[in-house]
Amino acid sequence: EAQVTQNPRYLITVTGKKLTVTCSQNMNHEYMSWYRQDPGLGLRQIYYSMNVEVTDKGDVPEGYKVSRKEKRNFPLILESPSPNQTSLYFCASTPGTGVEAFFGQGTRLTVV
Amino acid sequence: AQKVTQAQTEISVVEKEDVTLDCVYETRDTTYYLFWYKQPPSGELVFLIRRNSFDEQNEISGRYSWNFQKSTSSFNFTITASQVVDSAVYFCALKEYGNKLVFGAGTILRVKS
Repeated sequence: EAQVTQNPRYLITVTGKKLTVTCSQNMNHEYMSWYRQDPGLGLRQIYYSMNVEVTDKGDVPEGYKVSRKEKRNFPLILESPSPNQTSLYFCASTPGTGVEAFFGQGTRLTVV
Repeated sequence: AQKVTQAQTEISVVEKEDVTLDCVYETRDTTYYLFWYKQPPSGELVFLIRRNSFDEQNEISGRYSWNFQKSTSSFNFTITASQVVDSAVYFCALKEYGNKLVFGAGTILRVKS
């Protein structure tokens, strides 16, 4: 089954404790992205990747890191999480520009 | 710059009513793509439709229909004879060349029985 898998689905952590949210897709898609969803703001792009070792900032990259060492994986790293990073996070992949994105199930992160 | 506006924050209707969700977009590109996604209470994002800027044909899929008008930069979504299962957050999104999707703030639709 074609899918984008994120882990964990839920995470509560403390300020400053490094964490990684994993994302994996099995569709051999070139493009992958991370978004955060906040009430009243919709989804905003954090980072995206056009291929292995090629990443770029989205609209809200501060406080986040990403890497794309393999085509299928695109982890999101929070080196020192803060409460303002409490949000619902989505990973997405797509094979090309004019095609819809496939989204993971979402990761609800709470930073206390 | 790209922008998507969903002016309706929340809509409540009674089952079997028709409801239209508005989406207005801004872009400088002549080639772009518009999408609608549904987010049910379970939280996942469900793709509903894609439309490219060269295709202004309206589309109907069962109880769902979409009206794309370039002249007014709008891509509105109508649900006919709404059902409780239609209760969700609906997002309109715009993509120009590249991989960036710009989402509207979303419209919460509540359908009451």
